[in-house]
Amino acid sequence: DSGVTQTPKHLITATGQRVTLRCSPRSGDLSVYWYQQSLDQGLQFLIQYYNGEERAKGNILERFSAQQFPDLHSELNLSSLELGDSALYFCASSVVSTIGETQYFGPGTRLLVL
Amino acid sequence: DAKTTQPNSMESNEEEPVHLPCNHSTISGTDYIHWYRQLPSQGPEYVIHGLTSNVNNRMASLAIAEDRKSSTLILHRATLRDAAVYYCILRNNNDMRFGAGTRLTVKP
Repeated sequence: DSGVTQTPKHLITATGQRVTLRCSPRSGDLSVYWYQQSLDQGLQFLIQYYNGEERAKGNILERFSAQQFPDLHSELNLSSLELGDSALYFCASSVVSTIGETQYFGPGTRLLVL
Repeated sequence: DAKTTQPNSMESNEEEPVHLPCNHSTISGTDYIHWYRQLPSQGPEYVIHGLTSNVNNRMASLAIAEDRKSSTLILHRATLRDAAVYYCILRNNNDMRFGAGTRLTVKP
């Protein structure tokens, strides 16, 4: 158990709909990262938040957005869903030490768009 | 971004050592070498990371070449639970670029 929680575990929805995925980081971790893992694309970095502010952007579509709240939990919003958005979505929180940064991943949310 | 190259798959016998190679010939001086693994149906899990010196922890050892253009993750005694996809990643900024990794199969 990494200490990172994600809800829901599974989500089935239809094309055109909007969903929200939630992530609670490990206690004390200020950074939250979101990743998408699909069968044909592997693990893709989407976006990072640090203490409530966006810090880095990866391959995140304009239909997707995220935010990090004052209690440090984060939400990833996916809108106008397409079949190709079906994937596993992971969040990770991180700790920085004297030898660099380590990410701890949650169990993921499996999204199926029908 | 500096890129890593790993074999697509490797096999090992249970209780034998496993050496998982990673080439990163374009590594920069500030890139850390990270290894993560992903067990079936789970999120990625941190294994080990280092900068220049070899590193050991309870899970594995990381051997880094003197020129830092390659590294090797060493599992000293593979167990069935070590069957996973192993990712070698270079990191010096805020995002991690996962490649395809090496799928390790452990045979009983």
